Amino acid sequence: GAGVSQTPSNKVTEKGKYVELRCDPISGHTALYWYRQSLGQGPEFLIYFQGTGAADDSGLPNDRFFAVRPEGSVSTLKIQRTERGDSAVYLCASSFPGDGYNEQFFGPGTRLTVL
Amino acid sequence: SQKIEQNSEALNIQEGKTATLTCNYTNYSPAYLQWYRQDPGRGPVFLLLIRENEKEKRKERLKVTFDTTLKQSLFHITASQPADSATYLCALGRSGGYNKLIFGAGTRLAVHP
Repeated sequence: GAGVSQTPSNKVTEKGKYVELRCDPISGHTALYWYRQSLGQGPEFLIYFQGTGAADDSGLPNDRFFAVRPEGSVSTLKIQRTERGDSAVYLCASSFPGDGYNEQFFGPGTRLTVL
Repeated sequence: SQKIEQNSEALNIQEGKTATLTCNYTNYSPAYLQWYRQDPGRGPVFLLLIRENEKEKRKERLKVTFDTTLKQSLFHITASQPADSATYLCALGRSGGYNKLIFGAGTRLAVHP
């Protein structure tokens, strides 16, 4: 079956612009996570969805970042007024719900470059 | 604050040898620890999970140990192959309904023929 897909694979934008990053999770996975990974670092948690609701958004760095998952499947991470420091790889992962021990299935990521 | 440390320098070993990667943590009480593999330009891929009440877990050529007293996990790859060359990430998680992982920076492993 298909894995987690993310689009676009690369996004180059100018400082101050708005961007949207899309994630298609594995069918049947109700849990969805967004992470951000900077060069030489591990993924950093941003937000977790269980179904349509954001159950934990404690990792979002500020109010320029927002994510939605309106139908409990596809999710979009939105970044307003982008800054050069937002440049990173944005990873999406999905998993089955459960007691928290489930493995996460990651997409290939979107590489965001803010000029 | 929570801190996870993995060998920051790349680990270079000869094919056939055992690779041992270290993950140390502070200011955290994980319920479990996961190891992931990440190849350049790709997302992490899950390898193994070990719970706080487990000392050791094995899967094929992989072995993970977890010492909650030392706050350390060791990840071993026996009979290493050049195809094992990648970055290996450890991630800690707490129980409680969902899987919010805290990742280390990873260790790059290079296995030479």
